Amino acid sequence: DAMVIQNPRYQVTQFGKPVTLSCSQTLNHNVMYWYQQKSSQAPKLLFHYYDKDFNNEADTPDNFQSRRPNTSFCFLDIRSPGLGDAAMYLCATSADTGTGGYEQYFGPGTRLTVT
Amino acid sequence: GQNIDQPTEMTATEGAIVQINCTYQTSGFNGLFWYQQHAGEAPTFLSYNVLDGLEEKGRFSSFLSRSKGYSYLLLKELQMKDSASYLCAVLNSNYQLIWGAGTKLIIKP
Repeated sequence: DAMVIQNPRYQVTQFGKPVTLSCSQTLNHNVMYWYQQKSSQAPKLLFHYYDKDFNNEADTPDNFQSRRPNTSFCFLDIRSPGLGDAAMYLCATSADTGTGGYEQYFGPGTRLTVT
Repeated sequence: GQNIDQPTEMTATEGAIVQINCTYQTSGFNGLFWYQQHAGEAPTFLSYNVLDGLEEKGRFSSFLSRSKGYSYLLLKELQMKDSASYLCAVLNSNYQLIWGAGTKLIIKP
C-alpha cells in the first residue's frame, strides 16, 4: 500500500543533543510537509517542500532545519532540542498538481521527548 | 488575521447523530478539509469541500457555505470508535492550510 512512513515512532533525546527525524513516502507526491503538534493544539507547519523548493514558515525557529534529498525522503533536524520542543512531529504529503490533489496524507508521527 | 473556530469538546451517545461546526475567516478560499485524529495518532483525511452544499460519504457528511464562512461535519449512527478529535482546515488563496484546534468528540454508550 502506498503510504507515508516515519521513523522512529518514539524518540528520546537529551536537552541540547541534536536529533534527526525521518520521513519517507511511496505516494510519489510533489509536496512534503513537517508539522509540530502539541497536545490539544492544531498542527503547526514548520516547513514544506514543493519538489525541491524549500519553504520555511516565518516563525519556525532556526533550531529546526530540513533536508529533502529526493522525492521520497525528507528529514527534520533539531540542532539543539529544548524542553519546549517536546511534541509530536508529523510528516505529510500532498500531490498538489496545481489544479487539485491538495489533501494531505500524514505519517504516524514521531513523538519526541526531551530530557 | 486568519482563524478557524470550532467547539473544543462535544459529547454524544452511541447510535446518535452529531454535528460539528466550523467557522472560518481566511485570506481567500480554495477549499475546506475535515480530518479525524485519534489520541496519539496522526490526522486522517475525511473530506474536502470547495463548492457549496453537502457531500456525503457513508456515515459522514460535510457541508459548506462559502458566503457564511461556515462548514459542518455530520456523523450518523455514532460508534465508539468515532471518539476522536475532528479538525477543520481551510486552504487559503496562497494555498496555505489554516488549521483549527480541533473538536474532541466523546461518545458515551
